[in-house]
Amino acid sequence: DAGITQSPRHKVTETGTPVTLRCHQTENHRYMYWYRQDPGHGLRLIHYSYGVKDTDKGEVSDGYSVSRSKTEDFLLTLESATSSQTSVYFCAIRAGQGSDTQYFGPGTRLTVL
Amino acid sequence: QKEVEQNSGPLSVPEGAIASLNCTYSDRGSQSFFWYRQYSGKSPELIMFIYSNGDKEDGRFTAQLNKASQYVSLLIRDSQPSDSATYLCALRVQGGSEKLVFGKGTKLTVNP
Repeated sequence: DAGITQSPRHKVTETGTPVTLRCHQTENHRYMYWYRQDPGHGLRLIHYSYGVKDTDKGEVSDGYSVSRSKTEDFLLTLESATSSQTSVYFCAIRAGQGSDTQYFGPGTRLTVL
Repeated sequence: QKEVEQNSGPLSVPEGAIASLNCTYSDRGSQSFFWYRQYSGKSPELIMFIYSNGDKEDGRFTAQLNKASQYVSLLIRDSQPSDSATYLCALRVQGGSEKLVFGKGTKLTVNP
């Protein structure tokens, strides 16, 4: 599992509430990614990080923010959750130097009512 | 903008047959290509990556890359019911980006 954990694994929340998802890795990887996966859309990149405090947007970043204050943790925040953000969220890391392969965490299933 | 196209399937093959999964892409500069397997309710799992034109074999899996025709395929020999899953094709975005773009996946069912 590439030493990646995600928390919570399941969450149900209400529209308008803030939500933070956590991705934790134990192997000191520099690059970390947040994706969402929806039927009919596949995996889409939300944000990614290339180091502590270094982040950039993906293709579906609206409504999401991220933070990375430590190498091992990459947080995804929905400032005010909407029903369209109901999805499965995956965190990924990029394998070590010279490699561009990505490995995924177990995922978080988020339902916004 | 669709950059990676896969037939969504479902693709159904009998046990022991060869399953052929295909992926086409639009970015001619793409250099790195990946196949992931995803079981229902689970996270994507890397099966293979391929960087050079031609074939790359790993056990029952063979990845084939043709950059001139802009397609990459995955062959699964001696298919087993345990191979039933959704297979995702991905490529690295050109231009020094560290991002991957994924296809929507092809659902494979191997019938006993």
